[in-house]
Amino acid sequence: DGGITQSPKYLFRKEGQNVTLSCEQNLNHDAMYWYRQDPGQGLRLIYYSQIVNDFQKGDIAEGYSVSREKKESFPLTVTSAQKNPTAFYLCASSMDGSIYEQYFGPGTRLTVT
Amino acid sequence: KNQVEQSPQSLIILEGKNCTLQCNYTVSPFSNLRWYKQDTGRGPVSLTIMTFSENTKSNGRYTATLDADTKQSSLHITASQLSDSASYICVVSERTSYDKVIFGPGTSLSVIP
Repeated sequence: DGGITQSPKYLFRKEGQNVTLSCEQNLNHDAMYWYRQDPGQGLRLIYYSQIVNDFQKGDIAEGYSVSREKKESFPLTVTSAQKNPTAFYLCASSMDGSIYEQYFGPGTRLTVT
Repeated sequence: KNQVEQSPQSLIILEGKNCTLQCNYTVSPFSNLRWYKQDTGRGPVSLTIMTFSENTKSNGRYTATLDADTKQSSLHITASQLSDSASYICVVSERTSYDKVIFGPGTSLSVIP
């Protein structure tokens, strides 16, 4: 999975709880991304970060938050405000913007009941 | 609205046979197009990437073509193997201040013995 790790592989939470998904990369990439994948749909961008201490909202940022305190780490918090949090979450990184190939982590499947 | 469409939605072929997957896009201005392979429950892995000036690119048994005039791409798989069973995702980048990436919904390929 190209030097990107996501943990855990499976995560279960009760409705109303915040949960943080981990994403770490050792590729020395500047840009990192979080996507959400639902059955039958293309990946949708939640947040992205091009440099440390800076990040931008993607297409579906509501109910999510991120931080980028270190180049290699880009954790995603799914808050209780996210109405349909159950999904497969993918983290990716690229050297410098999307002109370069994105490398994806193995994903975290979050189930909220 | 920039979109990426893929066809067919799913495909079943016999081991050893060839197949072609289609991708149509309306993304403009165009930056690049990539094909990814995603095994079930895993992150996508890049197969090919093509810029505007490239019209074909191969990666082993995978050959991608691009017609930037008609905004169509295809992924041809030769002599399919059971391990080719996966979802194949077409991804098109829109050239903006940072290239925005738009994912197609994917084609689910099943190779059966």
